[in-house]
Amino acid sequence: QKEVEQNSGPLSVPEGAIASLNCTYSDRGSQSFFWYRQYSGKSPELIMSIYSNGDKEDGRFTAQLNKASQYVSLLIRDSQPSDSATYLCAVNIEGASSASKIIFGSGTRLSIRP
Amino acid sequence: DAGITQSPRHKVTETGTPVTLRCHQTENHRYMYWYRQDPGHGLRLIHYSYGVKDTDKGEVSDGYSVSRSKTEDFLLTLESATSSQTSVYFCAISPGLPLANYGYTFGSGTRLTVV
Repeated sequence: QKEVEQNSGPLSVPEGAIASLNCTYSDRGSQSFFWYRQYSGKSPELIMSIYSNGDKEDGRFTAQLNKASQYVSLLIRDSQPSDSATYLCAVNIEGASSASKIIFGSGTRLSIRP
Repeated sequence: DAGITQSPRHKVTETGTPVTLRCHQTENHRYMYWYRQDPGHGLRLIHYSYGVKDTDKGEVSDGYSVSRSKTEDFLLTLESATSSQTSVYFCAISPGLPLANYGYTFGSGTRLTVV
């Protein structure tokens, strides 16, 4: 069973600080990695994708990928109360019949305290 | 979400009855997915489709079947609903491979309660 592991939290971070979210995965063949944000009662929304080792930055968000160690992380700089949500790490798994699918971790709940 | 609609949004049904959930997209995307979300388990893949009449099982497919007779509709059927199938069901779509370039877009979800 291919797995994606995340600390469930809650992770509490003061406003303006850096929030660091981590994820490990088991399938060494995975090529694409995603971070989704999900507000309570809402559907997940894609905030970052990464497929090369190293860092990828988009505004206040930085995704980091280390394939050798099989971990992915998400940094949120200058954390805002609106960043309070559950963050889902997701990894692609190559399937049969030229189909590919994404496996999700159980999510880390992030709380930004004023 | 724009371009993807799930129906119904909420449903309460009795144990043993069949239930069908519908996912409708207007994006003409090839790939469609059904997930369920439960506390402590995150999103788990039930079934997915990579084209009209082309479907495959996910990690929690027992007790579920799917059909895709046209590009825009992907139906999920609980053949005989059980209380363990009480969950929030999300449909997702993707335009194609590689997923690295696209990720998924999710529908708003269906909250199903089996009593």
